[in-house]
Amino acid sequence: GQQVMQIPQYQHVQEGEDFTTYCNSSTTLSNIQWYKQRPGGHPVFLIQLVKSGEVKKQKRLTFQFGEAKKNSSLHITATQTTDVGTYFCAGATNAGKSTFGDGTTLTVKP
Amino acid sequence: SAVISQKPSRDICQRGTSLTIQCQVDSQVTMMFWYRQQPGQSLTLIATANQGSEATYESGFVIDKFPISRPNLTFSTLTVSNMSPEDSSIYLCSVKTGGYYEQYFGPGTRLTVT
Repeated sequence: GQQVMQIPQYQHVQEGEDFTTYCNSSTTLSNIQWYKQRPGGHPVFLIQLVKSGEVKKQKRLTFQFGEAKKNSSLHITATQTTDVGTYFCAGATNAGKSTFGDGTTLTVKP
Repeated sequence: SAVISQKPSRDICQRGTSLTIQCQVDSQVTMMFWYRQQPGQSLTLIATANQGSEATYESGFVIDKFPISRPNLTFSTLTVSNMSPEDSSIYLCSVKTGGYYEQYFGPGTRLTVT
């Protein structure tokens, strides 16, 4: 079945440093979504990428979808303590179902 | 987007008993899902709750253990039957609206089985 892998599993940064998490799928995706889960909270939808090579920005967050539509990345510039949490990617195929990656847990040291 | 509520928010149950979790959405939605999340782990899809028909279960999950109902487009229940300590987890309801892939999650139900 479809597999979605995320790296790294954990990332510890000093406040102000950048952060990147990578997502790789075993199959070509129709789209990819990114979610953020704060400690003790539930996943919250951040963004969806659909087009090959697509790049989207949300303030300090930059999301990219690979040309082959099998990988994606989330980059945070100048991290803040409010960025802590686990970031999940979820890849969807044309069958309509999304498969979640294992997540990257970000901790930010003030 | 959608606003989703779940009941109960948490429960402690004895092994061998069953618990029914309710999921209520503030608007009609096309698809509803039930996930399980162990602490510090990813989300595992249990099943898709289909309105008016039997739920579609993922590999490793069966209807006898996790019966699901979806009587209308805004409500669903998940029952965890004959519980064992291995069922201790967070159970999350999620929905998709319209033809979009983004999912909106409920606050979750934290289940502890003793």
